[in-house]
Amino acid sequence: NAGVTQTPKFQVLKTGQSMTLQCAQDMNHEYMSWYRQDPGMGLRLIHYSVGAGITDQGEVPNGYNVSRSTTEDFPLRLLSAAPSQTSVYFCASKGIYEQYFGPGTRLTVT
Amino acid sequence: AQKVTQAQTEISVVEKEDVTLDCVYETRDTTYYLFWYKQPPSGELVFLIRRNSFDEQNEISGRYSWNFQKSTSSFNFTITASQVVDSAVYFCALSEAGGRTGTASKLTFGTGTRLQVTL
Repeated sequence: NAGVTQTPKFQVLKTGQSMTLQCAQDMNHEYMSWYRQDPGMGLRLIHYSVGAGITDQGEVPNGYNVSRSTTEDFPLRLLSAAPSQTSVYFCASKGIYEQYFGPGTRLTVT
Repeated sequence: AQKVTQAQTEISVVEKEDVTLDCVYETRDTTYYLFWYKQPPSGELVFLIRRNSFDEQNEISGRYSWNFQKSTSSFNFTITASQVVDSAVYFCALSEAGGRTGTASKLTFGTGTRLQVTL
């Protein structure tokens, strides 16, 4: 039981490049979400999904796309990276009582 | 809209001191959940506690205790006899309870309090 896994751990992108942050969970949770963490701002919700085929926007969705084709996977796509997207990204899945967070991906956009 | 305020940006204490981390929240919901998470220097987020809005009993878990006061919209966290391993950033968070699953699962975080415990 690996919990929530995220890849890669670190990534450096140039402005305008695209990439996908991967997130997977093996707990059969319906609800998954993506947060970004910036200094002095806590964690802010980007997108979330209540089940396969269903996604919705959170507080800061601009510049990010998501899809949920399976219960296990919830990838986050940056179509054209910008320096403002430099952040630490956390994926989470929600059980009955608590949300389980992945280890995070540190993304730098130059 | 929901809001969580952690006014203490950084706290430094000497080992064995007691320390309280403050959390004040705003919500229009009558039922909600409050959380505390710990983020050690390694970066992961560690769940500490979830509290229902209709349960105002204080909770103690080892050296940790939580004081929930609905009248002042506060959910403070106290570490007794602090240790170096308690050094971390601590986040308070809030979510709705009930209603649509997606809405009820969205967490609103405070900006965090960095706790530094030294020998």
